[in-house]
Amino acid sequence: EAQVTQNPRYLITVTGKKLTVTCSQNMNHEYMSWYRQDPGLGLRQIYYSMNVEVTDKGDVPEGYKVSRKEKRNFPLILESPSPNQTSLYFCASSPGVSGNTIYFGEGSWLTVV
Amino acid sequence: ILNVEQSPQSLHVQEGDSTNFTCSFPSSNFYALHWYRWETAKSPEALFVMTLNGDEKKKGRISATLNTKEGYSYLYIKGSQPEDSATYLCAFDSGTYKYIFGTGTRLKVLA
Repeated sequence: EAQVTQNPRYLITVTGKKLTVTCSQNMNHEYMSWYRQDPGLGLRQIYYSMNVEVTDKGDVPEGYKVSRKEKRNFPLILESPSPNQTSLYFCASSPGVSGNTIYFGEGSWLTVV
Repeated sequence: ILNVEQSPQSLHVQEGDSTNFTCSFPSSNFYALHWYRWETAKSPEALFVMTLNGDEKKKGRISATLNTKEGYSYLYIKGSQPEDSATYLCAFDSGTYKYIFGTGTRLKVLA
């Protein structure tokens, strides 16, 4: 089954404790991206990757890091989480060219206290 | 700053009613317009990707139209059912891999 898998789905953590949210897709997609969803705001892009070892900042990259060492994986790293990073996070992937369907993971609820 | 706006923010309709929502987007640098259906606790699911001005797409009882010259798209649901209850998102695609999402229209269909 074609899917985008994120882990963990739910996490409560403390300020400053580094964490990684993993994302994996099994569709051989070139493009992967991370979004955050906050009340009253649309999905906002954090980082995206056009292919292995090619990443770029989205609209809200501060406080996040990413890496793309393999085509299928695109982890999101919070080096020193802060309460303003409490949010619902989505990983997504699509074939390389714009104009294609974007496939989303089921989301990761992250709370930083 | 590019902005995508959706209206209404939310609406309630009775089962069997037809309804429609609007997505407004920049009319310049247009590549595609995406529509997604998002149920609570699930991942957003693609409905349509629209690229051509005047395009109309249909999937069951749901259809969409696109006007790239004036920067809007309409999503229509005919004969709404309770299972149509969800948030409907649109996203502006300028062909640069950076997608701009609207805040969504939350639909509740009452049985």
